[in-house]
Amino acid sequence: GENVEQHPSTLSVQEGDSAVIKCTYSDSASNYFPWYKQELGKRPQLIIDIRSNVGEKKDQRIAVTLNKTAKHFSLHITETQPEDSAVYFCAASLGYSTLTFGKGTMLLVSP
Amino acid sequence: DADVTQTPRNRITKTGKRIMLECSQTKGHDRMYWYRQDPGLGLRLIYYSFDVKDINKGEISDGYSVSRQAQAKFSLSLESAIPNQTALYFCATSDAPPGASYNEQFFGPGTRLTVL
Repeated sequence: GENVEQHPSTLSVQEGDSAVIKCTYSDSASNYFPWYKQELGKRPQLIIDIRSNVGEKKDQRIAVTLNKTAKHFSLHITETQPEDSAVYFCAASLGYSTLTFGKGTMLLVSP
Repeated sequence: DADVTQTPRNRITKTGKRIMLECSQTKGHDRMYWYRQDPGLGLRLIYYSFDVKDINKGEISDGYSVSRQAQAKFSLSLESAIPNQTALYFCATSDAPPGASYNEQFFGPGTRLTVL
């Protein structure tokens, strides 16, 4: 089955800095890669996703890049703000099949 | 707004007790999932259902069972709870049809279960 590794497990940045979270996956057939954000005490929510037919996708201050050859994808957050503090999960799936999640990254943004 | 709800939100029980966690959704989605979240271990899939007549085991189904009573309801049972089942449990739904190239999932608020 699919295996998703996520690094780092914790990431501390100053407000305004950029943050990068990286994930690798094992199944070359996987073609859907979402990122979820979970604020403290809240439910996970999708913030951005990418499909294997594109290499990069942006939405305001967040972007995701995908390298299919190397089987890794990354989340980039620019101009971080305190409200970006949360746990971020990457995941992978073959289309509409079940998602396999990484173990999560706790991002702390200090004012 | 269409939503995913879970009851109870918090539950403390004793070893050996039978526990049922319930999930309801008004999103009209066919697919429903149960996950378990433990610190440092991410979200792990327990069971999933693609429609009312379909039940599938996930990565960590041992010690759990499920029932899909209707399109909108999916229950998770612990027949004889043990302390290492203490965790945060999430229900999720998806409307991704067969053949879709995506699978956005919508999570409920979670149930925090403590087994003493």
